[in-house]
Amino acid sequence: GNSVTQMEGPVTLSEEAFLTINCTYTATGYPSLFWYVQYPGEGLQLLLKATKADDKGSNKGFEATYRKETTSFHLEKGSVQVSDSAVYFCALGSGGFKTIFGAGTRLFVKA
Amino acid sequence: GAVVSQHPSRVICKSGTSVKIECRSLDFQATTMFWYRQFPKQSLMLMATSNEGSKATYEQGVEKDKFLINHASLTLSTLTVTSAHPEDSSFYICSARAPASGLAGQETQYFGPGTRLLVL
Repeated sequence: GNSVTQMEGPVTLSEEAFLTINCTYTATGYPSLFWYVQYPGEGLQLLLKATKADDKGSNKGFEATYRKETTSFHLEKGSVQVSDSAVYFCALGSGGFKTIFGAGTRLFVKA
Repeated sequence: GAVVSQHPSRVICKSGTSVKIECRSLDFQATTMFWYRQFPKQSLMLMATSNEGSKATYEQGVEKDKFLINHASLTLSTLTVTSAHPEDSSFYICSARAPASGLAGQETQYFGPGTRLLVL
């Protein structure tokens, strides 16, 4: 069945460091891929998405490219800020809007 | 942007009691809502799909008599945990499917802030 695997956290970085959170998926067909972010005490927010191979999703300085050949959708940001501290979920959209989530990666950014 | 609310945000109850959690779409009509469960440091697991005016569709392994879902209107879905036990303690999150908007709009899914349930 469909599944999502993302790197375990927590990830601790200093401000302005480069961020990569790895995400790989297993799926039949051609799913859409998402990154969601959950700030402390809040609900999930869609950060970015890609709907087909080689698409690049981007938002707020974050980027992720849909790589079909490696079944990956790694999240990157060139320079993180303290305000980026949150839990990041990689997710796969299967039919009917059902979403399968990875385990989540907690990011701490130190000033 | 679209907002989905949940009530209560946190609830503590005694074992054997029933707890109702509400999920509301505040500025759009949602024909479909979803209920997820999240254990500590784990992923969100889809429990069921709630369709307005019809029965919910439950994922494999989810007891429909235990987790009652009612989607009585286009802006409200409720999840009732019946005869709750300590193992039902978890973080319950709903999401709502918003219709496409704009010329090139796509349907989007919006998540609520979650409800933390603790059963003693």
